[in-house]
Amino acid sequence: AQKVTQVQTEISVVEKEDVTLDCVYETRDTTYYLFWYKQPPSGELVFLIRRNSFDEQNEISGRYSWNFQKSTSSFNFTITASQVVDSAVYFCALIHNQAGTALIFGKGTTLSVSS
Amino acid sequence: SAVISQKPSRDICQRGTSLTIQCQVDSQVTMMFWYRQQPGQSLTLIATANQGSEATYESGFVIDKFPISRPNLTFSTLTVSNMSPEDSSIYLCSVVIGPNTEAFFGQGTRLTVV
Repeated sequence: AQKVTQVQTEISVVEKEDVTLDCVYETRDTTYYLFWYKQPPSGELVFLIRRNSFDEQNEISGRYSWNFQKSTSSFNFTITASQVVDSAVYFCALIHNQAGTALIFGKGTTLSVSS
Repeated sequence: SAVISQKPSRDICQRGTSLTIQCQVDSQVTMMFWYRQQPGQSLTLIATANQGSEATYESGFVIDKFPISRPNLTFSTLTVSNMSPEDSSIYLCSVVIGPNTEAFFGQGTRLTVV
């Protein structure tokens, strides 16, 4: 069975604080892909990153960074020096490398950044 | 890549009526997926729409309530039938394009049933 767990339901931080959103996944597949999406109040899903199971290199994009560890089945997301515009719901998702399959989403983490 | 145009972006509907949501993709795709996101919740897969065959529904979703059409490889519709306030949600269509398994989403349809 495949499953994505985001244990943090809500996180509140003050601007300029660093914040890490946790994501733990379960899959029996050896080839799979992990995603992070941002959903602002407007409702659309904004793609942030996709990582395949063979690439454990951490990635940094501006203030965003991702830590992928297969040993712990985790794909955590860190925002450095958070800003009010980072306030949104963040979803971690999993898909395995098979045609015709859909993404499986975690329950999401609501991040509130106050000024 | 793929660009998905979904409409309407939002609607307010009376209970007991039906709404059809359209999803147009700018490239041919085999599978299209429909999700529901209830207020404050995550995305739940409703069904997978394969061109030329009946859609495959997930547990808890039935064709009579959410009929889906897939007339060609670039277009699909989802109808929310006999609506009740509990159907108030965001509905999203999605495609997954291999071989690198890129996932793309429409802008979503925010439905409010009154």
